Amino acid sequence: GPKVLQIPSHQIIDMGQMVTLNCDPVSNHLYFYWYKQILGQQMEFLVNFYNGKVMEKSKLFKDQFSVERPDGSYFTLKIQPTALEDSAVYFCASSLRGGRSTLYFGAGTRLSVL
Amino acid sequence: GDQVEQSPSALSLHEGTGSALRCNFTTTMRAVQWFQQNSRGSLINLFYLASGTKENGRLKSTFNSKESYSTLHIRDAQLEDSGTYFCAAEAVGASSSFSKLVFGQGTSLSVVP
Repeated sequence: GPKVLQIPSHQIIDMGQMVTLNCDPVSNHLYFYWYKQILGQQMEFLVNFYNGKVMEKSKLFKDQFSVERPDGSYFTLKIQPTALEDSAVYFCASSLRGGRSTLYFGAGTRLSVL
Repeated sequence: GDQVEQSPSALSLHEGTGSALRCNFTTTMRAVQWFQQNSRGSLINLFYLASGTKENGRLKSTFNSKESYSTLHIRDAQLEDSGTYFCAAEAVGASSSFSKLVFGQGTSLSVVP
């Protein structure tokens, strides 16, 4: 099936540093999403993105978070500065259409903030 | 509060047997997806349903929007079916411009010989 690639698979950084998580969505998809999964807990919606803009974000999407997809390349999630509670697995997803459309997820990036 | 209640939280099956997972929704949902999260953490798409029943091999899923639930049936379980299964629902009334999935808490399935 369609593949979403996430790079890197694991990132370890010191608290206060900046981190950028990269996502290569399915090639013809137009809608992009980030979800967060703390170990052993359910997946939670962070943000969705379309046509260069954030469409909706949750309360988990703190001011330190930002997303972009410059020039149709990687869809990125940047956290600056990072905090200990940002440690989690971050999943990127994409879909062809907005509503009523299957989301395809990447394998996730495990972020460890020390 | 939680909009998606998934049960059971954990399940152990012997090879060759079967069972059902269930998600109840506290608000009206217009579609549901089911995923298997494998040992590497990858989310594998199993089903997308806006209504009715779909079947794929040993898996079958039903979504009843009116009664606010969805089920995933596994039959003839195999060792490789082990993992965590999630339902994720798309709320009615959300903007048609985008999907926002609400995930269940997951069911940890162990298939043993």
